[in-house]
Amino acid sequence: AQSVTQLDSQVPVFEEAPVELRCNYSSSVSVYLFWYVQYPNQGLQLLLKYLSGSTLVKGINGFEAEFNKSQTSFHLRKPSVHISDTAEYFCAVRRSNTGNQFYFGTGTSLTVIP
Amino acid sequence: NAGVTQTPKFRVLKTGQSMTLLCAQDMNHEYMYWYRQDPGMGLRLIHYSVGEGTTAKGEVPDGYNVSRLKKQNFLLGLESAAPSQTSVYFCASSPAETGTYEQYFGPGTRLTVT
Repeated sequence: AQSVTQLDSQVPVFEEAPVELRCNYSSSVSVYLFWYVQYPNQGLQLLLKYLSGSTLVKGINGFEAEFNKSQTSFHLRKPSVHISDTAEYFCAVRRSNTGNQFYFGTGTSLTVIP
Repeated sequence: NAGVTQTPKFRVLKTGQSMTLLCAQDMNHEYMYWYRQDPGMGLRLIHYSVGEGTTAKGEVPDGYNVSRLKKQNFLLGLESAAPSQTSVYFCASSPAETGTYEQYFGPGTRLTVT
């Protein structure tokens, strides 16, 4: 069963414009949520994570995400993108009842247009 | 610290050949994972390990075997490669302590089976 859904496979956006990458998850238990970024021909790097507490989390490179339990969402946002933000972005979930397994979305390819 | 390293970076196999991918981490992490990444499918968990001498199946384990003889190494084996195993393989590790949970990824191994 798909645990994580990234609705947009590709998102083109102009430089300095805001962007939102959407992530929804399915779970009946508490979750830990993550966003990772993958630059071309590289491994994944952690952007930010939600474990508990404040629902707005800030990460590296000016990204932030908001955990919305009622909508089971964890959308990633940035108010002004740069060319260097062009990359693949993955949302991931670790459910509290599945031990150490992580479930990844299919990814969103962000292309920043000059 | 080197973090998570993977050997080799690239490999081309013929159908039916075997090979072993090596993952090594120098962060003393308990947990280690093998994923495969295919276009449009995100990352899918093949096998994982929660400690030295233990392994468990993930979402897509068929055709693969793993071993964790040493805490710092996690080996992924293909006994008889098939074209469907053409993919990019990522290894990851994570600490066991609560409050962290994030995974650290290697740079990937690009495998082509002809």
